[in-house]
Amino acid sequence: ETGVTQTPRHLVMGMTNKKSLKCEQHLGHNAMYWYKQSAKKPLELMFVYNFKEQTENNSVPSRFSPECPNSSHLFLHLHTLQPEDSALYLCASSTVYSDVEKLFFGSGTQLSVL
Amino acid sequence: EDQVTQSPEALRLQEGESSSLNCSYTVSGLRGLFWYRQDPGKGPEFLFTLYSAGEEKEKERLKATLTKKESFLHITAPKPEDSATYLCAVQAADSGGYQKVTFGIGTKLQVIP
Repeated sequence: ETGVTQTPRHLVMGMTNKKSLKCEQHLGHNAMYWYKQSAKKPLELMFVYNFKEQTENNSVPSRFSPECPNSSHLFLHLHTLQPEDSALYLCASSTVYSDVEKLFFGSGTQLSVL
Repeated sequence: EDQVTQSPEALRLQEGESSSLNCSYTVSGLRGLFWYRQDPGKGPEFLFTLYSAGEEKEKERLKATLTKKESFLHITAPKPEDSATYLCAVQAADSGGYQKVTFGIGTKLQVIP
């Protein structure tokens, strides 16, 4: 399998649930990212990891907890979310951190919080 | 703060009807301007990177151009398969640390057969 793979594709959760989003990249990249895409809004950077180390946390609420066990895998752990957190969550990777030539995106997880 | 404004928000074209999408940007020193294509239910797919005013890049029916204040994505004789949302993004010049990419909201293009 090639590219950036995200699972699940769709997720419906209640406000008290705990769930995790998974991202795996098969491109040999060293940097991985979580983005949030809401309707009528630009892509919003959430977290950046470079060689497994978190380098950016874009003032994201603590109910979102990222984890990067190695350069190929990235998780986003979710707990006690709010309805306004409903959005498309996109994972991306790039060859080099801080010199983003281009980002490779996964297909995203469409999250609905009830 | 870096800003990217795309216009129009939506564009409907007849097949073969050429047009242009606009991306106006404000950034403190441009490192690169990016164009992405996003199909429904999918993540954005990279199209072009432009680095300096006057630069142009082409791919099939698409041509991207860059000035000091804006970029245009020209679509020549579009086909229905060109229907997608086109995203513009900019990255500021490196002043130390990570320079995030700032995205626009996108232009949703629909090409009617």
